[in-house]
Amino acid sequence: EVQLLESGGGLVQPGGSLRLSCAASGFTFSSHSMTWVRQAPGKGLEWVSGISASAGDTFYADSVKGRFTISRDNSKNTLSLQMNSLTAEDTAVYYCAREVRSSTALDHWGQGTLVIVST
Amino acid sequence: DVQMTQSPSSLSASVGDRVTITCRASRTVTNYLNWYQQKPGSAPNLLISAVSNLHSGVPSRFRGSGTGTEFTLTISDLQPEDSASYYCQFSGTFGGGTKVEI
Repeated sequence: EVQLLESGGGLVQPGGSLRLSCAASGFTFSSHSMTWVRQAPGKGLEWVSGISASAGDTFYADSVKGRFTISRDNSKNTLSLQMNSLTAEDTAVYYCAREVRSSTALDHWGQGTLVIVST
Repeated sequence: DVQMTQSPSSLSASVGDRVTITCRASRTVTNYLNWYQQKPGSAPNLLISAVSNLHSGVPSRFRGSGTGTEFTLTISDLQPEDSASYYCQFSGTFGGGTKVEI
């Protein structure tokens, strides 16, 4: 069974940093591109960042470019998102999701981890 | 970047109805157009990939179609459990969502 388990969310002050992790199991992690998607309270889905299976390619939404860094450790089946210079607009539930091979569809999602940026 | 515009933003329908949600792209896009269902407090679930491919376990009353800049998700014979928000996605862009109330 495919499982994605996010961790690392919490309360952080504006300007602070946070590192999210996503532990993957039940599939060959190194064969799939992975994605972070967030959802602000009461709002829609926002694609945040993606990384290819080999970690050779990374992609970012304009809203986080230069502040967030996506990475993965295929030996540990772990996806990460380093978030710096956080603002209130980054407050959201952050989901990691698996991409279907040769597709952009996200077929498995974690339960999400909540990030609150506030004083 | 491409913009994906969904309509309507919300709708109310009855059990057994057929509803259609539209997703319009700001430019012609490839067929990597996907649809998701999200219920309150839960992560989204993939419904349809590549415009019209029904994901495993998704009831056949869900159907996707379209090409170019206009895509639709049709739910036939609406059921109470279909009450949710629906999102289209093309690559790194999601539509704004459609809330379906039954």
